[in-house]
Amino acid sequence: DAGITQSPRHKVTETGTPVTLRCHQTENHRYMYWYRQDPGHGLRLIHYSYGVKDTDKGEVSDGYSVSRSKTEDFLLTLESATSSQTSVYFCAIKPGGAGDTQYFGPGTRLTVL
Amino acid sequence: SQKIEQNSEALNIQEGKTATLTCNYTNYSPAYLQWYRQDPGRGPVFLLLIRENEKEKRKERLKVTFDTTLKQSLFHITASQPADSATYLCAGPGTASKLTFGTGTRLQVTL
Repeated sequence: DAGITQSPRHKVTETGTPVTLRCHQTENHRYMYWYRQDPGHGLRLIHYSYGVKDTDKGEVSDGYSVSRSKTEDFLLTLESATSSQTSVYFCAIKPGGAGDTQYFGPGTRLTVL
Repeated sequence: SQKIEQNSEALNIQEGKTATLTCNYTNYSPAYLQWYRQDPGRGPVFLLLIRENEKEKRKERLKVTFDTTLKQSLFHITASQPADSATYLCAGPGTASKLTFGTGTRLQVTL
């Protein structure tokens, strides 16, 4: 998994609670991404980061926030989880160079009851 | 808006045959397309990238084509094996170092 870990790997939580997912890389790459994957929708970008403290929104950012205070860690926070945020969440990194190839972590399965 | 479409949700094929998966793009002209493999419960894994000026690219039993006239990429697995069973994702460039993914095609190779 290209030196990327995600924690937790599984989480069950209740509607209205805050949830933070962590992505950690050992490769020191500048670009990091958070996606969600749902049946029929494929991978959709939530937020991405192009450096420490530099982040931007993706196509499905409502209800999510991110932070990146160190190169190796990219945190995704659901401020108040809703059932529609039940999904599998993937973190990805992009090494330098052309082609925008991304390398993905193992994913976090989140269930919001 | 730019779209990457994989219209076949699933493809079943017999072992030893060639599997062909299709990726179409609309509303833009991508400089390249990428193909990823995703196994159940795991993250996608990069397989191949093909640029718009490359007609064809090969890697072992994999072959990818890029047809700018048809706005399409084809992904072939020759001599398919049960171990090739997985979901295959097509991706094209978005803005600012982002990727746009198709919804994937689930390939099942049976004995």
